[in-house]
Amino acid sequence: EDKVVQSPLSLVVHEGDTVTLNCSYEVTNFRSLLWYKQEKKAPTFLFMLTSSGIEKKSGRLSSILDKKELFSILNITATQTGDSAIYLCAVESNNNDMRFGAGTRLTVKP
Amino acid sequence: EAGVAQSPRYKIIEKRQSVAFWCNPISGHATLYWYQQILGQGPKLLIQFQNNGVVDDSQLPKDRFSAERLKGVDSTLKIQPAKLEDSAVYLCASSLFLGQGYRGELFFGEGSRLTVL
Repeated sequence: EDKVVQSPLSLVVHEGDTVTLNCSYEVTNFRSLLWYKQEKKAPTFLFMLTSSGIEKKSGRLSSILDKKELFSILNITATQTGDSAIYLCAVESNNNDMRFGAGTRLTVKP
Repeated sequence: EAGVAQSPRYKIIEKRQSVAFWCNPISGHATLYWYQQILGQGPKLLIQFQNNGVVDDSQLPKDRFSAERLKGVDSTLKIQPAKLEDSAVYLCASSLFLGQGYRGELFFGEGSRLTVL
């Protein structure tokens, strides 16, 4: 059965810290891996990764995919309180199935 | 650009009652999804529409859940009768269909939070 596992499930850091969130997957016919940020409302899109080793970057956030080892990481540098959210990893397969992990709850304290 | 609209935002019902949620996707998005997100878990796909046809409803509990997208735009998700374990946020999302099975990113609505007492 396809699965997406995120770790850690929760994380508490202080402003300015750097965090790394992990997502490992076992999916048949992998197509892409996506990261979403979910605050109190709807998940918002961060990155879509399809190729190994190519870093996607947006401001203080960056992500990379390893298709050989079947995982991705999301890095956030110089964290701010506004980064507090649940970060969701989702993996899409060629049959259009998109499976989400349980998420990592990040809390950034001032 | 208007986002994905959902209503109601909150609903409290007693078990065995029925409830319906409505979703209006982003204009031009052919693909529409309903996800169920239970507290502490990631979203779980219930049903996926391509225009007005069902692409995947394998995880939809069909004895109590139903969904339709009659004109290929708005969609309604119904639960009848509701159970305690149906308490969750029901997220609607939409995406472009890019051809050859590829799609763009999912855009989510703010969700409908259901509490079943």
